[in-house]
Amino acid sequence: DAKTTQPNSMESNEEEPVHLPCNHSTISGTDYIHWYRQLPSQGPEYVIHGLTSNVNNRMASLAIAEDRKSSTLILHRATLRDAAVYYCILRDDNDMRFGAGTRLTVKP
Amino acid sequence: AAGVIQSPRHLIKEKRETATLKCYPIPRHDTVYWYQQGPGQDPQFLISFYEKMQSDKGSIPDRFSAQQFSDYHSELNMSSLELGDSALYFCASSLRDNDRETQYFGPGTRLLVL
Repeated sequence: DAKTTQPNSMESNEEEPVHLPCNHSTISGTDYIHWYRQLPSQGPEYVIHGLTSNVNNRMASLAIAEDRKSSTLILHRATLRDAAVYYCILRDDNDMRFGAGTRLTVKP
Repeated sequence: AAGVIQSPRHLIKEKRETATLKCYPIPRHDTVYWYQQGPGQDPQFLISFYEKMQSDKGSIPDRFSAQQFSDYHSELNMSSLELGDSALYFCASSLRDNDRETQYFGPGTRLLVL
């Protein structure tokens, strides 16, 4: 499975944008880039996914580099409820392997 | 909207005992996944089922087995429990399609082995 690399932790101030990076230099042409997050004491939750083009949904935006070797999850206005571990995952089939994600702390 | 249901939510067992965890997927979802998350660790994929057949296998110990039934619910059977099996066990469900479908996770079952 292709690997991803994320910072162990990041901090943000409430109501400011947050850019969470993910490197995936060994990504293959059929790998989709998925982002999930896990809030404290809860199961993981889907955030967004994409293949080549940038994607937007009500939760976040996903910016994918032209060479697809990296991507950035963008939370436009962080809230305290966005404090979670964010996982960047490459999927070329239906099963999913979690790596070490980024723990996001949001300060009031 | 209906979510993934897991039961029990909490379970305490002794070493060498057996445990059965149950997962009820979102209605019309045909795929179920099981994950194990140890304390302070990231979720680890155990096994998945699609249309009642095993789809993929991850780091599931030989002491564990699982199946998906005709109503699409799934059970994870764990035998000869060890202290190291203490963890959160998540089930997720999805509707398989060609766009690497979203997995919806349940609240988890917290297993404590004493």
